[in-house]
Amino acid sequence: KAGVTQTPRYLIKTRGQQVTLSCSPISGHRSVSWYQQTPGQGLQFLFEYFSETQRNKGNFPGRFSGRQFSNSRSEMNVSTLELGDSALYLCASSPEVAGGGGELFFGEGSRLTVL
Amino acid sequence: GQSLEQPSEVTAVEGAIVQINCTYQTSGFYGLSWYQQHDGGAPTFLSYNALDGLEETGRFSSFLSRSDSYGYLLLQELQMKDSASYFCAAVGYYGQNFVFGPGTRLSVLP
Repeated sequence: KAGVTQTPRYLIKTRGQQVTLSCSPISGHRSVSWYQQTPGQGLQFLFEYFSETQRNKGNFPGRFSGRQFSNSRSEMNVSTLELGDSALYLCASSPEVAGGGGELFFGEGSRLTVL
Repeated sequence: GQSLEQPSEVTAVEGAIVQINCTYQTSGFYGLSWYQQHDGGAPTFLSYNALDGLEETGRFSSFLSRSDSYGYLLLQELQMKDSASYFCAAVGYYGQNFVFGPGTRLSVLP
């Protein structure tokens, strides 16, 4: 079974630009979550999608947005990039076990550098 | 606010046992997950507790006490390859890991 695939793996942008990151979950997984990881702030939850609906959202500004498609693939977008957005963006999928589970399968991440 | 606390660093020798603690203050808490992350790698799932008590998975065990808002990860028979960062995460009812702890960097010495 293929794992979680994230593209692109590395990218460099300049301040003010926007970026779109893509995530393909494990086949059969309908829940996709996004996280930002930085040395100073650790792993921070951005949002979670299930069946094309944003079900949970972290404490990030509106510049961070996402969506999920009918095939469960997900994208996240960051507009008007700031230097502080430089981070590893991790996508994770899960098989959605109501009342239990808690297991996430992470992709290798997209490393964004904002200059 | 929602937060989890972990020690920032732990050091132990090969073959030893180490315990990494996690205290939490969150709403919507349903369970506690643990993840391992090697430098440059993605987090990988280790263990999950929805109920109080001990869950054992090979050399790794995890414990949860809801009354104390506390959990821990126990690593036995430490190996060099266990050197990594370990994160606890609060889990909601649908399995979403919505808050992560700051991570504990474990160094295993020969």
